Amino acid sequence: GAGVSQSPSNKVTEKGKDVELRCDPISGHTALYWYRQSLGQGLEFLIYFQGNSAPDKSGLPSDRFSAERTGGSVSTLTIQRTQQEDSAVYLCASSAGLAGGPVSTDTQYFGPGTRLTVL
Amino acid sequence: RKEVEQDPGPFNVPEGATVAFNCTYSNSASQSFFWYRQDCRKEPKLLMSVYSSGNEDGRFTAQLNRASQYISLLIRDSKLSDSATYLCVVNIGVWGNQFYFGTGTSLTVIP
Repeated sequence: GAGVSQSPSNKVTEKGKDVELRCDPISGHTALYWYRQSLGQGLEFLIYFQGNSAPDKSGLPSDRFSAERTGGSVSTLTIQRTQQEDSAVYLCASSAGLAGGPVSTDTQYFGPGTRLTVL
Repeated sequence: RKEVEQDPGPFNVPEGATVAFNCTYSNSASQSFFWYRQDCRKEPKLLMSVYSSGNEDGRFTAQLNRASQYISLLIRDSKLSDSATYLCVVNIGVWGNQFYFGTGTSLTVIP
């Protein structure tokens, strides 16, 4: 079946430009997550959407980063005035989510990521 | 203190060897546990969930020790294709997910 998709797969931009990264979660998944991974590093949590609840933005590194999730499905991560330190792979994941119960069995599935390079 | 800690390795083992990775977590209220595998320049993929009773999937065995707050992954009869980074993941959320990832343990299986 269709998994999580992300676009673009690669993005090269100049310092100071804005970029938008897109994530299409698995159909029916109510939870969506954004992470970033710098070369040789672990995953850094950015933001988490769960259904219609207010997103958990606690991982966003600065106010240059924002994300939206429209209609409970597709999400866009926007980075304004990009800096060289923003260069990383941005990974999106989705999971079935709460569905009214505890999440003890919830599992994340990752998209292939967007490799962002800021020159 | 990090929520999840792993030995980064690298572990270099010959084909056919048995190798074990451990991971410790700091929050005793953690709800669920997973091992993910990440190949170079690829996204993480779920290897297996970890259940309290322990679980096995072919050559892979996962164990959870809640008292000591660690989980383990055992790989028997290592194959070249097992070479990857293995990520320990813990979800401390109950009514909302809070996934924490370890930085990963690198495994290279040598011919």
